[in-house]
Amino acid sequence: KAGVTQTPRYLIKTRGQQVTLSCSPISGHRSVSWYQQTPGQGLQFLFEYFSETQRNKGNFPGRFSGRQFSNSRSEMNVSTLELGDSALYLCASSLEGGDTQYFGPGTRLTVL
Amino acid sequence: AQRVTQPEKLLSVFKGAPVELKCNYSYSGSPELFWYVQYSRQRLQLLLRHISRESIKGFTADLNKGETSFHLKKPFAQEEDSAMYYCALSGGGYSTLTFGKGTMLLVSP
Repeated sequence: KAGVTQTPRYLIKTRGQQVTLSCSPISGHRSVSWYQQTPGQGLQFLFEYFSETQRNKGNFPGRFSGRQFSNSRSEMNVSTLELGDSALYLCASSLEGGDTQYFGPGTRLTVL
Repeated sequence: AQRVTQPEKLLSVFKGAPVELKCNYSYSGSPELFWYVQYSRQRLQLLLRHISRESIKGFTADLNKGETSFHLKKPFAQEEDSAMYYCALSGGGYSTLTFGKGTMLLVSP
């Protein structure tokens, strides 16, 4: 099976812009989770989607949002970008949730 | 609130030496504990989870509920074990992982 894929792999944006990141889970996986990874804060949970519904959300401002489509693909959106949003954004998929998560390679976002 | 603590940022050992990567957690219920590993230029991947009680690549980890610990051990380190190791916790049936800050393991020849 193909692994979790994320596009784009690298992004450079300026403050105030918005950005959309995409994640394609492993075929058959219905749960998709997003994480932010920074040197200072480490890996932090953003949100989880299951069957097109947000099932859980981390402690991030409302500028961070996401959605999941009927084919389980997921997107996350960050509006009004701030310098502190520069990070590696990781997507992970699992069959049902509560089981093993498989991670994508990440999208490196740089905000200038 | 759930929390995972990995007290060492860096652990440096010689090849053939024993390795123990420490992980302590706080969680009010019955958590699931995981170790994830990230080799250089590779994606984060699961190394082992406590419910499977497996030994992967010679690594084992025992959940100690009394000490709220889930330390990762290997009796003889290999150079290819050099990587970043993350301890993670999941509570309930959802795919929400709380990660520790990670420990970089460097194995020298």
